[in-house]
Amino acid sequence: EAGVAQSPRYKIIEKRQSVAFWCNPISGHATLYWYQQILGQGPKLLIQFQNNGVVDDSQLPKDRFSAERLKGVDSTLKIQPAKLEDSAVYLCASSHRDFTGYTFGSGTRLTVV
Amino acid sequence: DQQVKQNSPSLSVQEGRISILNCDYTNSMFDYFLWYKKYPAEGPTFLISISSIKDKNEDGRFTVFLNKSAKHLSLHIVPSQPGDSAVYFCAAIPTGTASKLTFGTGTRLQVTL
Repeated sequence: EAGVAQSPRYKIIEKRQSVAFWCNPISGHATLYWYQQILGQGPKLLIQFQNNGVVDDSQLPKDRFSAERLKGVDSTLKIQPAKLEDSAVYLCASSHRDFTGYTFGSGTRLTVV
Repeated sequence: DQQVKQNSPSLSVQEGRISILNCDYTNSMFDYFLWYKKYPAEGPTFLISISSIKDKNEDGRFTVFLNKSAKHLSLHIVPSQPGDSAVYFCAAIPTGTASKLTFGTGTRLQVTL
């Protein structure tokens, strides 16, 4: 079984620029999550999708962050414009509807300078 | 408000000895707990979990203990091996949310020869 695929692995941008991350979940996993992990902290949930619908985006900074999951498969997370404090690893995870098989991708490390 | 706390940022243990990683939580609605292991440049990988109806769960060298009255759980690794050196995250799921994980800040375990 292929794992959760994320790209790019690393990204360096200047503040006020925009950036997008891509995630392809495990085949058949209905639920997809984006987490933000700032250095020295645990991952924090940004948004959760069930198929192509948003279940929870209460911690997503909606003035600059957006995410979509078209057709209920892969997903993109966008930041526009980026701030220095957005420097973090962005992790995508997927699971079956009932939590089984919760699996993380390797993440995208974003550095905003 | 940190609902899941790992108060020890780091731990060093000799190979062959027991490693004990601790986690405290404040939200009484948490009813399922997990431990994840994370190597550098990789996503967290699931290690072991425990439901609130149990007080102990074992899987090979890994045992998780849950003390609901103290809102405390611990992960025991016996015997510790150099390959266990990683960051360990405690995570919790509230009743009814099915899959929303709240993570602690992590403990870096180093197993020395």
